[in-house]
Amino acid sequence: DTGVSQNPRHKITKRGQNVTFRCDPISEHNRLYWYRQTLGQGPEFLTYFQNEAQLEKSRLLSDRFSAERPKGSFSTLEIQRTEQGDSAMYLCASSFALAGLANTGELFFGEGSRLTVL
Amino acid sequence: TQLLEQSPQFLSIQEGENLTVYCNSSSVFSSLQWYRQEPGEGPVLLVTVVTGGEVKKLKRLTFQFGDARKDSSLHITAAQPGDTGLYLCAGVHAGGTSYGKLTFGQGTILTVHP
Repeated sequence: DTGVSQNPRHKITKRGQNVTFRCDPISEHNRLYWYRQTLGQGPEFLTYFQNEAQLEKSRLLSDRFSAERPKGSFSTLEIQRTEQGDSAMYLCASSFALAGLANTGELFFGEGSRLTVL
Repeated sequence: TQLLEQSPQFLSIQEGENLTVYCNSSSVFSSLQWYRQEPGEGPVLLVTVVTGGEVKKLKRLTFQFGDARKDSSLHITAAQPGDTGLYLCAGVHAGGTSYGKLTFGQGTILTVHP
């Protein structure tokens, strides 16, 4: 397994366009997380899945954002009608945790998808 | 809302110096993790501390979890240019609908000059 894979690595788009990012987690991991990170800052939580179920969404995730994990494997994050404030690195991470238990283990992060909205 | 405050935000030191980064919260986390991130890459886990008062050492890095599990510190001895990067603390939420979620501090950008 090559780890968490994200694509595209870089996306430049014009304001108002839609963009979609894909994350392929480590295959045996049941949890998948999306974070957003701006330069020099810590990642901000967006949403996470346990298998195919989306368990929590941050208030940062406006109605222009939608995330899916249809078969409990890969996930997509779509941003509609992009705004300049959406420019950031979008990080995906995965982990394995038993249902009902807190995750004290490591999150494995992908290299991120950097979005620039002009 | 459980927040983590990291300090300092920026640290620029000479090779060989020691440094400490602090991570503080008003809330209790079930555990706390420290990550290091290099430009253009995702964060990589350095350590997880779980028990109040716990101290873990990783070569020149020493991590401490406060007795009340609300704060943590990272101490680097004899810093080297290869230590340069963004250091992040992250708290693991213990219960409710947020269990297992990580909340990150804002990070400390460390630059070690040769």
